[in-house]
Amino acid sequence: KQEVTQIPAALSVPEGENLVLNCSFTDSAIYNLQWFRQDPGKGLTSLLLIQSSQREQTSGRLNASLDKSSGRSTLYIAASQPGDSATYLCAVSGTASKLTFGTGTRLQVTL
Amino acid sequence: EAQVTQNPRYLITVTGKKLTVTCSQNMNHEYMSWYRQDPGLGLRQIYYSMNVEVTDKGDVPEGYKVSRKEKRNFPLILESPSPNQTSLYFCASTPSGRSHNEQFFGPGTRLTVL
Repeated sequence: KQEVTQIPAALSVPEGENLVLNCSFTDSAIYNLQWFRQDPGKGLTSLLLIQSSQREQTSGRLNASLDKSSGRSTLYIAASQPGDSATYLCAVSGTASKLTFGTGTRLQVTL
Repeated sequence: EAQVTQNPRYLITVTGKKLTVTCSQNMNHEYMSWYRQDPGLGLRQIYYSMNVEVTDKGDVPEGYKVSRKEKRNFPLILESPSPNQTSLYFCASTPSGRSHNEQFFGPGTRLTVL
């Protein structure tokens, strides 16, 4: 059974810092990995999708990498801003497009 | 605007009173699914549907029913809600269950069962 772990569970950084969020998964037989952002009491916003054949994806200040063989992904956020404060979730897609989610990293960017 | 909509957004009900949470997408997606989100447990899949009239159980289907009579709609039915179904529910859709594309999520429905 696929298990997804995100470390750390919570993170607080000052504005302007670069930071890395980690995601690991136990079964490397995935089709893709997706990073989401969730604001308190809100829905999920898709940030980046990495297909299993890809190594990384970039969108603006965000860069996600995937090492399928070792079961790891990282989300790199450059020059963090207070507006980046949210919970970040990673999810892997196995059969039938089912997503298995991690429990998230709660990020706070302080002024 | 391409989107997944859910109604209601908030619902407080009592044990045993049947309820339906609606989900609709306007992107002509084949695959739709329901998740629940609980503190410390993350999001877990309840049911999914690969296409019209095709549904299957996810990881936590007990106490829920779904139907897929039209491509755009995928309602979640709680025949006899119980307090342990108090949760935040999300509907999601993606173009195809086989192509494993990006999944789009609705805004969520916060359900409280007293």
